[in-house]
Amino acid sequence: DIQMTQSPSTLSASVGDRVTITCRASQSISPWLAWYQQKPGKVPKLLIYKASDLENGVPSRFSGSGSGTEFTLTISSLQPDDFATYYCQQYNVYPGTFGQGTKVEIK
Amino acid sequence: QVQLVQSGAEVKRPGASVKVSCKVSGYSLTEVSMNWVRQAPGKGLEWMGGFDPKDGEPVYAQEFQGRVTITEDTSTDTTYMELRSLRSADTAVYYCAAADSIAAARFWGQGTLVAVSS
Repeated sequence: DIQMTQSPSTLSASVGDRVTITCRASQSISPWLAWYQQKPGKVPKLLIYKASDLENGVPSRFSGSGSGTEFTLTISSLQPDDFATYYCQQYNVYPGTFGQGTKVEIK
Repeated sequence: QVQLVQSGAEVKRPGASVKVSCKVSGYSLTEVSMNWVRQAPGKGLEWMGGFDPKDGEPVYAQEFQGRVTITEDTSTDTTYMELRSLRSADTAVYYCAAADSIAAARFWGQGTLVAVSS
């Protein structure tokens, strides 16, 4: 199975900050990388697919980039609604493994 | 709009099996690839298995090989996940998730809590 490693595990930030989360795959997965947001007690929500395509209805402050084995999720200006846990997932090769998650906390 | 509605919460004894269902509406099951993901309390998302969109065959994560079976009934647009030989570490919320043409899991069920306890 492909291993996905996210960093950092926890991130403390303030409203208005630019935030970047990194995801590394154990082998090339381009461009089959998705990012999800999950709030406590809620269902995961797709934000980005195919590494950089923004899902319908997702604010444009979210963006994805990267290729090969290294990918990033950027929130250009953190909003109160963005405090959540974020997961990357590769779906180039089944099983579609997730990263361990990055919790974005209020500083 | 696609909706995925899962069966209700279950409480099981160690060693038992559980079968969770997920009914798709708004799409035909033939138009999506279904996956199953679980989340233990306070832990991250764990992909269990699903139908590979490349060939439609079920693929299981190594950790669950031999213990999980994912099936589909296209006549009712329902997918099922059966997990056998349950142990306390299987206590989790189990989600079905559907991937359409973009191949990522765009649609999610509401989750089914499975509690394993003696």
